[in-house]
Amino acid sequence: NAGVMQNPRHLVRRRGQEARLRCSPMKGHSHVYWYRQLPEEGLKFMVYLQKENIIDESGMPKERFSAEFPKEGPSILRIQQVVRGDSAAYFCASSPTGTNLAKNIQYFGAGTRLSVL
Amino acid sequence: DQQVKQNSPSLSVQEGRISILNCDYTNSMFDYFLWYKKYPAEGPTFLISISSIKDKNEDGRFTVFLNKSAKHLSLHIVPSQPGDSAVYFCAASATGTASKLTFGTGTRLQVTL
Repeated sequence: NAGVMQNPRHLVRRRGQEARLRCSPMKGHSHVYWYRQLPEEGLKFMVYLQKENIIDESGMPKERFSAEFPKEGPSILRIQQVVRGDSAAYFCASSPTGTNLAKNIQYFGAGTRLSVL
Repeated sequence: DQQVKQNSPSLSVQEGRISILNCDYTNSMFDYFLWYKKYPAEGPTFLISISSIKDKNEDGRFTVFLNKSAKHLSLHIVPSQPGDSAVYFCAASATGTASKLTFGTGTRLQVTL
């Protein structure tokens, strides 16, 4: 049973370009979460999605960032017109259950390290 | 506003001894707590969790203690092994908040021979 798969592992973009980060959840999981980790900091929640729905995007910057989890295919985190401050590790997690359930263990992928030149 | 705090950035422990990692939280709505372990260039790996209805949960060498009145939890690893050297993150969630996890800043544990 494959774990959470993220690609690419490393992504280099120049300022103003677009970055697309992909995440395939664990088999049987329909809940996906994106987190961002800046150097020397903990992970910060960005967005929670179920298939075709954004459930909570309270951690997403209002501009340039978007996320989707289509009926078919991986979840995508998209960053338009990247700036140097977007350089970070972006982690995706998935879980079999979602809201209002105490035992919500989230399983993480290896992350995508975005570097903006 | 750091709702989950890990005040010790690093900890060094001898192999075979006990490692105690601490975590404090401020949000009284948190009712589920998790510990994750992270190696460099990898994603966090789930270790152990505890619900607020309990004060202790044990899994092999790992035990998590929860003190709700003090809003404090700790992870005990005994005996510590060199392979335990990693960064440990405490995380918390609250029922009804879309299950998002709030993480601490991590404690780097080094287990020496």
